[in-house]
Amino acid sequence: GQNIDQPTEMTATEGAIVQINCTYQTSGFNGLFWYQQHAGEAPTFLSYNVLDGLEEKGRFSSFLSRSKGYSYLLLKELQMKDSASYLCAVMDSNYQLIWGAGTKLIIKP
Amino acid sequence: DTAVSQTPKYLVTQMGNDKSIKCEQNLGHDTMYWYKQDSKKFLKIMFSYNNKELNINETVPNRFSPKSPDKAHLNLHINSLELGDSAVYFCASSPQLAGTFTGELFFGEGSRLTVL
Repeated sequence: GQNIDQPTEMTATEGAIVQINCTYQTSGFNGLFWYQQHAGEAPTFLSYNVLDGLEEKGRFSSFLSRSKGYSYLLLKELQMKDSASYLCAVMDSNYQLIWGAGTKLIIKP
Repeated sequence: DTAVSQTPKYLVTQMGNDKSIKCEQNLGHDTMYWYKQDSKKFLKIMFSYNNKELNINETVPNRFSPKSPDKAHLNLHINSLELGDSAVYFCASSPQLAGTFTGELFFGEGSRLTVL
């Protein structure tokens, strides 16, 4: 079956760095996505990786290793507003998005 | 301007009733979706529709049916509601289903359905 694994919850301190990991097993691969979802709100797109390596976008970076079925989202200079759930999703060979359950990130002052 | 809007945002109803959730997008996108997010926070695709082809997740009961009057609208009809239907339903849209699709979905704000 298809599976996306990510930690349920993580806690970090304001101003620090946090890395959220995601491992996947899917039928084919057409890209990996990270979305941010604040409580009670809709998910919003953060990043898209289809080739191995690191993609940097401001304070957020996303890394992909296709051979390991692994990705991480790196958040730097954490702010209180970064408290949210971070969803990892993989597009399979049928261009269907398979979603993880999300990692709830709690930022403490 | 709201890019993807859905109504109602909250819906409380009794088991056995029939209800609809409306969705509209003003982005000119070709493909629209309905997702269900349950209490465990998994987002599950229910339908995708690109004005020519409807793709249905085979696990979705046939009590659920999408209706698309035009490219900018995809409404969700639910018949004979059950307790397990309680969830947040998100409408979304994207420019294309495949090819140059980058995976960026634009979500509506969600409709929280509670079945009593």
